[in-house]
Formats: sequence, C-alpha cells, structure tokens
Amino acid sequence: NAGVTQTPKFQVLKTGQSMTLQCAQDMNHEYMSWYRQDPGMGLRLIHYSVGAGITDQGEVPNGYNVSRSTTEDFPLRLLSAAPSQTSVYFCASKATAFYNEQFFGPGTRLTVL
Amino acid sequence: AQTVTQSQPEMSVQEAETVTLSCTYDTSESDYYLFWYKQPPSRQMILVIRQEAYKQQNATENRFSVNFQKAAKSFSLKISDSQLGDAAMYFCAYSTGNQFYFGTGTSLTVIP
Repeated sequence: NAGVTQTPKFQVLKTGQSMTLQCAQDMNHEYMSWYRQDPGMGLRLIHYSVGAGITDQGEVPNGYNVSRSTTEDFPLRLLSAAPSQTSVYFCASKATAFYNEQFFGPGTRLTVL
Repeated sequence: AQTVTQSQPEMSVQEAETVTLSCTYDTSESDYYLFWYKQPPSRQMILVIRQEAYKQQNATENRFSVNFQKAAKSFSLKISDSQLGDAAMYFCAYSTGNQFYFGTGTSLTVIP
C-alpha cells in the first residue's frame, strides 16, 4: 500500500512551458485534492475532486487545470507556467468528502524561471 | 472565505516541558472539523489531532491535546513532555468537508 504518490519530486520550468504533475493513490479514496504551499502562506487548496468525472475549484484555481478519469489518478496541469507558480505542490486524498482524515503525498517542488 | 489565523510564527520549548500553540478561525458554519498537522523538514504532512465541532469533549492523542472553544472560535494545541522529534512546523486547518483552509503555521523549536 503506497498511499499517495506524486511525481516528479522536483521540476524546473521556463516561463510559458506546460507540464503535468502526477498524483496517484491506491486506497480507493473518492476525494482527492491539490494544494500549493508558499513561504509564510500555509497550504492553499487549488482544485479538488469528489469522485471520477467530478472536479471543482478551491481557493486558488487560476492557471491550473485538473481532470479525474479514474478513482486512482488526479493530475494537475499547468498550461503556461508563470514565475508566480513557483511553489511546493501537495496532492492529498481521503475516503469520502465527509470522512475528513486526509492523507498527503510527499510534495513536488516546482520552480518556474 | 473562511480564515484560519495562527498568530505565533515561532515558538520554542524546553525538552520535557509543555507548550501551547494558538489558532483561531472564522466561520458562519455550525458543523465543521478542525485539525492540527505537523510538517517536519522532510516536508511530509502528518495529522496530529482532529476535532469535530459538534463534539464538546476536547480531543486527545497521547501527548497532544486540544482546547476547543467553539463560541470563541479558538482551537489551541497543547504538547506535553515535549520531545526533540516534536520540532517542526505546525499547521492548524479548518474544513467543512470539500474545502480545507490552513493557517500560516507555527515553527516549533525544541531546546535540549
């Protein structure tokens, strides 16, 4: 049981490039989410999904796209990276939207030059 | 939007002593959950303790306990018998289910 996995661990992009951060969980959790962590600002919710085919916006969704085609995977896409998206990104999952113990992945450190 | 405030950016405690980390939140909801997460230098987010708003009894997990004051919208974390391994960033978080809101964190140093 690997829990929540994220790839890559580190990534450097140039402004305007696109990329996808991968997230997978093997706990059959319905709810998955993406956060960004910036110095002095804690974690902020970007997007979340309450099940396959269902996604919704969090607190800071602009510049990011998500989709949920399977229960296991919840990729985060940056279509045109900007320096303001330099951050540490965490994926998390929990059993259902109403079961609130959330399990976090190890994070991806993204730098946009 | 909901807000979670941690007014202590840094705290320190002597090993084996007790320390209390503060958290306040703003909400108009009556049913919600509150959490404390620990983030060591490894960056991994670790759940320390959680509290359901409808429960009046304060949650306890071994050396960790909370003081939940619903009317005051306050949710402090008490760490007893502090250990070197408790040194980390601690985040308070609020959730109604789908949405989560985190505070800005308190960096805890444990002095041997």
